[in-house]
Amino acid sequence: DAGVTQSPTHLIKTRGQHVTLRCSPISGHKSVSWYQQVLGQGPQFIFQYYEKEERGRGNFPDRFSARQFPNYSSELNVNALLLGDSALYLCASSQGARTGELFFGEGSRLTVL
Amino acid sequence: GIQVEQSPPDLILQEGANSTLRCNFSDSVNNLQWFHQNPWGQLINLFYIPSGTKQNGRLSATTVATERYSLLYISSSQTTDSGVYFCAVKNDKIIFGKGTRLHILP
Repeated sequence: DAGVTQSPTHLIKTRGQHVTLRCSPISGHKSVSWYQQVLGQGPQFIFQYYEKEERGRGNFPDRFSARQFPNYSSELNVNALLLGDSALYLCASSQGARTGELFFGEGSRLTVL
Repeated sequence: GIQVEQSPPDLILQEGANSTLRCNFSDSVNNLQWFHQNPWGQLINLFYIPSGTKQNGRLSATTVATERYSLLYISSSQTTDSGVYFCAVKNDKIIFGKGTRLHILP
């Protein structure tokens, strides 16, 4: 069975641009969560979605948004990119919203110039 | 919100040594997991352990939920154990600690 898949793996953008990152969960998992990890720090929680509804939001500006589709895949959108948005963006899936083991994808590494 | 503290922040050991990594959390949690992050950034699942004790080869973990801490034990360390170890907890949000950076010297 395929694990959590993310795309693209690497991308370079310039300040002010928009980016869309994609995540496909493990088959049978209904919850997807997104994280930002800057160099030298632990992952920071951005969003959790379960059954297409937002179930949690971290301390990120409104430039960050996400959605979950009927097939449980998810997109993370970031508008008006800043240099500080350069980071590894990680997606995780789990079976449930409140409990259940998280499984992570390999991440999308975003560089903003 | 919930606070997660990992200790020590850095640990340097000789190959073959044993180590104990600690994760303290400030409130009750639904989930607790330990991860190893490889040099390419992938988070590798080690243990899903909201409570109790589990073992997997040279690694074991114990969570005492009533006292709000978890321990990860690594025995007979190998150079491939090097990297960053994170614990992550969940109540209404999923919160990671800052990690323990482990260096195993040959």
